Amino acid sequence: NAGVTQTPKFQVLKTGQSMTLQCAQDMNHEYMSWYRQDPGMGLRLIHYSVGAGITDQGEVPNGYNVSRSTTEDFPLRLLSAAPSQTSVYFCASSWAGLANTGELFFGEGSRLTVL
Amino acid sequence: AQSVTQLGSHVSVSEGALVLLRCNYSSSVPPYLFWYVQYPNQGLQLLLKYTSAATLVKGINGFEAEFKKSETSFHLTKPSAHMSDAAEYFCAVSDRSGNQFYFGTGTSLTVIP
Repeated sequence: NAGVTQTPKFQVLKTGQSMTLQCAQDMNHEYMSWYRQDPGMGLRLIHYSVGAGITDQGEVPNGYNVSRSTTEDFPLRLLSAAPSQTSVYFCASSWAGLANTGELFFGEGSRLTVL
Repeated sequence: AQSVTQLGSHVSVSEGALVLLRCNYSSSVPPYLFWYVQYPNQGLQLLLKYTSAATLVKGINGFEAEFKKSETSFHLTKPSAHMSDAAEYFCAVSDRSGNQFYFGTGTSLTVIP
């Protein structure tokens, strides 16, 4: 039972570099999302998707891009990393529509440090 | 926008004592409410959820929470703390579509032997 898989688990970047955090789920969930977790701030929604080809912004979308070409994958792209993007990133998925129970399934997180 | 407030960023209890973690929500309509738990270096796991059925919700590991509309609260309780309960706990609210979740800032629970 893989569930939600995130890669890489750890990454160090220099300011201005780009990278992609990968997220894949094998539960056939239509809904996928990205959060960042910062001390004292809880989790904040970056972007989400309710199906292939459909994405939308959350609370803190600036500096991040997403796309959803398949049901299984939802990568998060940092085009020009900044120290303020140092954080732990979580991908989460769920059912959508009539099957939506509101329960999120989380990956184990990706810890990103931007120097 | 919806939001939740968790009172107390750190709570310490003795093993066997009552656990009470506080959460208040801000919403103009009855929301979906959740409690999630995060163990060190792991993702979040659902403890329990309120979806407008029974106001007293039972979750995993002996936890329960009561939805009180008059107080806009959804406090988490457990009658007797166990060492394995030490973790970070997050209260969260979502809109009816389930597309946007808003998490509280978290409460770190320490259990003292």
